[in-house]
Amino acid sequence: AQSVTQLDSQVPVFEEAPVELRCNYSSSVSVYLFWYVQYPNQGLQLLLKYLSGSTLVESINGFEAEFNKSQTSFHLRKPSVHISDTAEYFCAVSGNDKIIFGKGTRLHILP
Amino acid sequence: DGGITQSPKYLFRKEGQNVTLSCEQNLNHDAMYWYRQDPGQGLRLIYYSQIVNDFQKGDIAEGYSVSREKKESFPLTVTSAQKNPTAFYLCASSIQPGAGYGYTFGSGTRLTVV
Repeated sequence: AQSVTQLDSQVPVFEEAPVELRCNYSSSVSVYLFWYVQYPNQGLQLLLKYLSGSTLVESINGFEAEFNKSQTSFHLRKPSVHISDTAEYFCAVSGNDKIIFGKGTRLHILP
Repeated sequence: DGGITQSPKYLFRKEGQNVTLSCEQNLNHDAMYWYRQDPGQGLRLIYYSQIVNDFQKGDIAEGYSVSREKKESFPLTVTSAQKNPTAFYLCASSIQPGAGYGYTFGSGTRLTVV
């Protein structure tokens, strides 16, 4: 069975500082991993995904995540955050017939 | 443009009433999903459907019902048996169920019991 653990429920960070949102997973089958972002009162949007190949995947707005098989992690990073990055971020792993989501991490950007 | 449409955006229900949340997609996706979101609890799967005229219970199906008569539509009914229905409800779809295919989400329906 697949499962996802997001290690922090909330992460406060100053604007223009770097951030890391942590995600660990467990899976007994081939791993496909995702990060989704949810802005207030909206649905989730796909931020980036790992299917195969390079272990470092990037999004168009400066986020990146690295698949680490030995540590079963898929942490999300950004070198410099902006106030517009304020949102909730969900890590997810693909199961046989559905995606399993973590409980989410709220990113608070401090001025 | 293709996407998923959820309606209404806000819905108010009186005690003892059934209400139906609409979810329509024009992406030609086979699989559709309903999630409930409560603060601090992430997304919890209510029901999902991999093909027309078939659906499966998720983790919290009690007090809910669905139908999948058309590929494009997957309505969710919140029945009076659901004792705590106030939540944000999200519908999603996927090209096919299974590995590697991410979900496309609707913008959600916020249901409040009054």
